[in-house]
Amino acid sequence: DIVMTQSPDSLAVSLGERATINCRSSQSLLYTSNKKNYLAWYQQKPGQPPRMLIYWASTRESGVPDRFSGSGSGTDFTLTISSLQAEDVAIYYCQQYYDTPQTFGQGTKVEI
Amino acid sequence: QVQLVQSGAEVKKPGASVKVSCEASGYTFTRYGMHWVRQAPGQRLEWMGWINAGNGNTKYSQKFQGRVTITRDTSASIVYMDLSSQGSEDTAVYYCARGIDSDVYQSLDHWGQGTLVTVSP
Repeated sequence: DIVMTQSPDSLAVSLGERATINCRSSQSLLYTSNKKNYLAWYQQKPGQPPRMLIYWASTRESGVPDRFSGSGSGTDFTLTISSLQAEDVAIYYCQQYYDTPQTFGQGTKVEI
Repeated sequence: QVQLVQSGAEVKKPGASVKVSCEASGYTFTRYGMHWVRQAPGQRLEWMGWINAGNGNTKYSQKFQGRVTITRDTSASIVYMDLSSQGSEDTAVYYCARGIDSDVYQSLDHWGQGTLVTVSP
């Protein structure tokens, strides 16, 4: 199975400041034939299901604020929240869908 | 709008089976795949398997092979996840989640509300 490792496990960021979450996969998620990275990011708030924010490593899902952005390729990826808002307090997960079983990172808790 | 509505919470004895349903609405059911993901208390999300709602093809995580069965009823736009021989380690919230198209190698753009399954003697 592809192992997904996030860092840090938690971080505290002031309102309006930047938050950066890293995700590393145990093998490349770049499918060379279509040049796509099979990597998504999700946000989960307490008592709610996950919400997809980013797919194909950098494509923002419809309705997601543009302060969320994804970058990276191959095995190293980053989710950036450019200006943290109070409603962004949540746990964030990366997920690979390059192979089955699809696997998720352990999560990064973002606090104010 | 896309909605996935799951069946209610369940309490099961060890060794029993559970069947969770996921009723889809707001889109053409057979054009997408449906995945099942679970989350045990304090644990990361865990992918269990997928069904192509159009042709019924399935793929399961090796971890659950032989214990999980995913089926669908196209007339009612419902997907079912059946998990047998449960142990306490199967206590978790189970989610259905729609893939962004019919293929298994896709991210998950809409999620059900979750179904808590508790396995306890």
